[in-house]
Amino acid sequence: DQQVKQNSPSLSVQEGRISILNCDYTNSMFDYFLWYKKYPAEGPTFLISISSIKDKNEDGRFTVFLNKSAKHLSLHIVPSQPGDSAVYFCLTGNTGKLIFGQGTTLQVKP
Amino acid sequence: NAGVTQTPKFRVLKTGQSMTLLCAQDMNHEYMYWYRQDPGMGLRLIHYSVGEGTTAKGEVPDGYNVSRLKKQNFLLGLESAAPSQTSVYFCASSYVTDYEQYFGPGTRLTVT
Repeated sequence: DQQVKQNSPSLSVQEGRISILNCDYTNSMFDYFLWYKKYPAEGPTFLISISSIKDKNEDGRFTVFLNKSAKHLSLHIVPSQPGDSAVYFCLTGNTGKLIFGQGTTLQVKP
Repeated sequence: NAGVTQTPKFRVLKTGQSMTLLCAQDMNHEYMYWYRQDPGMGLRLIHYSVGEGTTAKGEVPDGYNVSRLKKQNFLLGLESAAPSQTSVYFCASSYVTDYEQYFGPGTRLTVT
C-alpha cells in the first residue's frame, strides 16, 4: 500500500510553459513536504520545501503548493526550461519516517 | 567540500558473495541514510543513523547491515548477495532530523 503516490510517471511540456507535478499522500499526520530533482547518474538534489502550516512557498521559478485537507502536494515550474528536464520526487512523512514518491520524469521540449 | 561520496560507483557480484559500500560526508552531519532505487518505486530507505554509534532500520532492511563507527562514515554491508538486491544505492546525510538530505552520486550494484 503506497502512502505517497506520484500518479504521472512522465510529463512533457513546451519550453516557456508551466509544468505541474503532483503528489498525493495518505497520512494526515505527515508534516514534512519536500521536492527533489534528479538527473541521470547523479544523486537527488533538494529543490524546495514547504512548512506544514503554509499552503504555498515560492522560490524563483518554482512554487510548491500544499493542500492538507486533500493530502495533496504540487510543484509548479514557470517558465519551464530544457534544463529542468529531470526526474522529480516528492518526499513527505514525519521525523524518522520519510517516504519518497515514485518520481515523475519531466521533459521540457525546446 | 566534497559533500557526500560513495565507493564504489559500480560493482558486479555473484549470488552469495559479500561486499561493503562506503559512504563518507564532510559536512559534519549527524544523520546518515542508505536508500535503494528501483524502477518505478522511487527511493526506499534501508537503514539510517541519527549519530555516531547508532543505527536504525528503515523500510526495507532485510539482507543488509550497517555500521556508523565514525560520524563521517556510514557503511552498508551485504553478507550474502541475492539477485533481488540488484539496484542503485544512494547514501544521504542531513544536519538534523530528516530535512534537506544531501545525496551521494549512487552505486550501481548488479547481482548475477
